[in-house]
Amino acid sequence: DAGITQSPRHKVTETGTPVTLRCHQTENHRYMYWYRQDPGHGLRLIHYSYGVKDTDKGEVSDGYSVSRSKTEDFLLTLESATSSQTSVYFCAIRVGQEETSPLHFGNGTRLTVT
Amino acid sequence: GQNIDQPTEMTATEGAIVQINCTYQTSGFNGLFWYQQHAGEAPTFLSYNVLDGLEEKGRFSSFLSRSKGYSYLLLKELQMKDSASYLCAVMDSNYQLIWGAGTKLIIKP
Repeated sequence: DAGITQSPRHKVTETGTPVTLRCHQTENHRYMYWYRQDPGHGLRLIHYSYGVKDTDKGEVSDGYSVSRSKTEDFLLTLESATSSQTSVYFCAIRVGQEETSPLHFGNGTRLTVT
Repeated sequence: GQNIDQPTEMTATEGAIVQINCTYQTSGFNGLFWYQQHAGEAPTFLSYNVLDGLEEKGRFSSFLSRSKGYSYLLLKELQMKDSASYLCAVMDSNYQLIWGAGTKLIIKP
């Protein structure tokens, strides 16, 4: 167990409201990632972080922001949720020092925007 | 563009062998990963190939041909618990992962 916890596990929200998802790790890994998973698509990278206050955009970053003020926490914020952001969101950490080290995933957050 | 192709769904029988294929076109190559994902759960790491050839790990084996842009995951002695989606992902020249949409494997008794 790589010690990743996502919260909440499920959330239903209305269009236009802000939403923050939290990813917490207990093992001090440097790299953390946010992905979304939708039917018919591969996992798509939203944002990632390579250290405290160091973040970068992924391929589907529009409408999302992130923050990492502590090593253990990586927050994903939807400033104004839209129905197209209904998805399952996974946080992942890179376990290992090498760039080719595999990712370990949290259990996901199922977000529904009505 | 970058592309990963794998079959959407496959069906196999308990106790049999199944091969799940993955073809890819990416900007550079730094290895290919296979993950298993049970319904409603997180993906879990199965294997990593960066050199051509077959890597065996218990009932699961993974093969890579870089010249053909091709990999497969071979599952032997299938068990009902192997019913899951299998995700292929390629790491490109920038060390970014490009993911396939996954293959849903259904095991029948």
